[in-house]
Amino acid sequence: DGGITQSPKYLFRKEGQNVTLSCEQNLNHDAMYWYRQDPGQGLRLIYYSQIVNDFQKGDIAEGYSVSREKKESFPLTVTSAQKNPTAFYLCASRGRDRWPDTQYFGPGTRLTVL
Amino acid sequence: AQSVTQLDSQVPVFEEAPVELRCNYSSSVSVYLFWYVQYPNQGLQLLLKYLSGSTLVKGINGFEAEFNKSQTSFHLRKPSVHISDTAEYFCAADLNEKLTFGTGTRLTIIP
Repeated sequence: DGGITQSPKYLFRKEGQNVTLSCEQNLNHDAMYWYRQDPGQGLRLIYYSQIVNDFQKGDIAEGYSVSREKKESFPLTVTSAQKNPTAFYLCASRGRDRWPDTQYFGPGTRLTVL
Repeated sequence: AQSVTQLDSQVPVFEEAPVELRCNYSSSVSVYLFWYVQYPNQGLQLLLKYLSGSTLVKGINGFEAEFNKSQTSFHLRKPSVHISDTAEYFCAADLNEKLTFGTGTRLTIIP
């Protein structure tokens, strides 16, 4: 089945620790995105990548880092510099062959800082 | 900068009654508009999208939306809701290959 997978579904971390969230897609999409979701605030864009080995900051990139070494993978690292990391994180991908294509979402990772 | 406004954070509706979820956008250029649905602890699923052409767009699960350029609105409607429609609904606008989301509307169906 084609789709986007995110792991783990739930993640707990202690303050001061870095943690990496996984996002993999087998849709052959060029563009990939990371969003953060907080209650009552909708989705906010953290980082996005439109092609391998290239990525851009979104609206709330501070305290996060990403890499895009492979087309199918776009991992997100939440660093200790992120002041309030507890949130629901969503990864998405999008094709660029027929624009504008639909953005498809993964099932999300819920991160809790203890 | 473009923005998307969903004025209603929560909408309670009786089962089998009609519903309208409101969405307004602000942009000086043409945008593409989307409605997504999110069930608890899940990702977002596309309901429908407006790209061009007919202003009335039909989507999955019996939902439809109407694009109104003069009012910069893209309201979502369903003539008769079911318990299974209980979810959060997000309106989004696409500009420069990035989506801007509204803050969401939580639809609660009352049996």
